[in-house]
Amino acid sequence: DTAVSQTPKYLVTQMGNDKSIKCEQNLGHDTMYWYKQDSKKFLKIMFSYNNKELIINETVPNRFSPKSPDKAHLNLHINSLELGDSAVYFCASSQSAGGPYNEQFFGPGTRLTVL
Amino acid sequence: AQSVTQLGSHVSVSEGALVLLRCNYSSSVPPYLFWYVQYPNQGLQLLLKYTSAATLVKGINGFEAEFKKSETSFHLTKPSAHMSDAAEYFCAVRAYSGAGSYQLTFGKGTKLSVIP
Repeated sequence: DTAVSQTPKYLVTQMGNDKSIKCEQNLGHDTMYWYKQDSKKFLKIMFSYNNKELIINETVPNRFSPKSPDKAHLNLHINSLELGDSAVYFCASSQSAGGPYNEQFFGPGTRLTVL
Repeated sequence: AQSVTQLGSHVSVSEGALVLLRCNYSSSVPPYLFWYVQYPNQGLQLLLKYTSAATLVKGINGFEAEFKKSETSFHLTKPSAHMSDAAEYFCAVRAYSGAGSYQLTFGKGTKLSVIP
């Protein structure tokens, strides 16, 4: 049973479109994250979401917005897609109790290509 | 701000040879350090983590890392490389970001190639 799942796995779209990536975790974790991995494999945190409180990386454009319908889901909405948004997006989750040593579990990634 | 630096974007070793992937950290407080592995077209998997209980940390697949405060290092090693070890390896430091969240800050990754 997949711990952290993402859909779709691949997403190809035109510049200017709006798209969403879904993330679900079945681990019972209370914190979820979105990371962006660029073409050089560099991974950077975009958002973390814990108990309905959102921590935003200040460098993320406001075209990106996470939405959490419940504790098990954290979806990523992207408006007005740009060429530079092409990347692999990873969802992750962890349990806040126990502090910083708790492992973050990652989803398989969504490869977004903007044409 | 806490950060990690991985020396060498690409490391090649022969099958059976020692694997050494370097990571140095910058932190004003005791760091929470991790090594993750990413196999091609897959997500990240935790290899090991430093919890301050021991400076030598053993992980999965025969990997281990040693925390050296005097050198601000957390290098990853494996005595004998296997073809299946070919992957991208990321060193990361975890810092509190508020509201119970601990975000990971990753190094730029080291691609390990294993030559038969």
